Amino acid sequence: EPEVTQTPSHQVTQMGQEVILRCVPISNHLYFYWYRQILGQKVEFLVSFYNNEISEKSEIFDDQFSVERPDGSNFTLKIRSTKLEDSAMYFCASSPILGDTGELFFGEGSRLTVL
Amino acid sequence: RKEVEQDPGPFNVPEGATVAFNCTYSNSASQSFFWYRQDCRKEPKLLMSVYSSGNEDGRFTAQLNRASQYISLLIRDSKLSDSATYLCVSSGYALNFGKGTSLLVTP
Repeated sequence: EPEVTQTPSHQVTQMGQEVILRCVPISNHLYFYWYRQILGQKVEFLVSFYNNEISEKSEIFDDQFSVERPDGSNFTLKIRSTKLEDSAMYFCASSPILGDTGELFFGEGSRLTVL
Repeated sequence: RKEVEQDPGPFNVPEGATVAFNCTYSNSASQSFFWYRQDCRKEPKLLMSVYSSGNEDGRFTAQLNRASQYISLLIRDSKLSDSATYLCVSSGYALNFGKGTSLLVTP
């Protein structure tokens, strides 16, 4: 069964460092997403990506965040200068059609710990 | 105001019990609704979509009341493996997740 894969599964970093989280969406999907979940909190939308550009982003997704699809398979989330409050589980998701009318397929997540 | 509100629980029920979860949403423009399931420290997975006419998938029944902006999930004959957090989700330009309702099914 095709699945979304994410690396690393866990990353520990110092405050102020840059972090890149990587995702390989399901190959025939067209819409890609990053969500995050702070421990004990709800899953929060960060950004959606379609046709090689950001289609929507939340207020969480400020100038410290960026996304890229550098080749035909990877979808990355970069945090330029991490803050303590960036510690969370980051989920990548993909969908063959626009998310509000279809199922999102989530990766297993990348746990980011900022010290 | 939160987009999606759920009773966090936890709901502790014995095997075989019937349990119901409720959820309200604030955005009347939301078109689609879902229940996702999330196991501890795992990714959310779609359990079922929710339609106004109500829909059933085995032991699970979901219902949407647009007038009241209310969504429900009924689980019949609970299994130990149903223990998880159930996330109520509404759609906008992205999926809006509730904080989840925790269910523990005990032997």
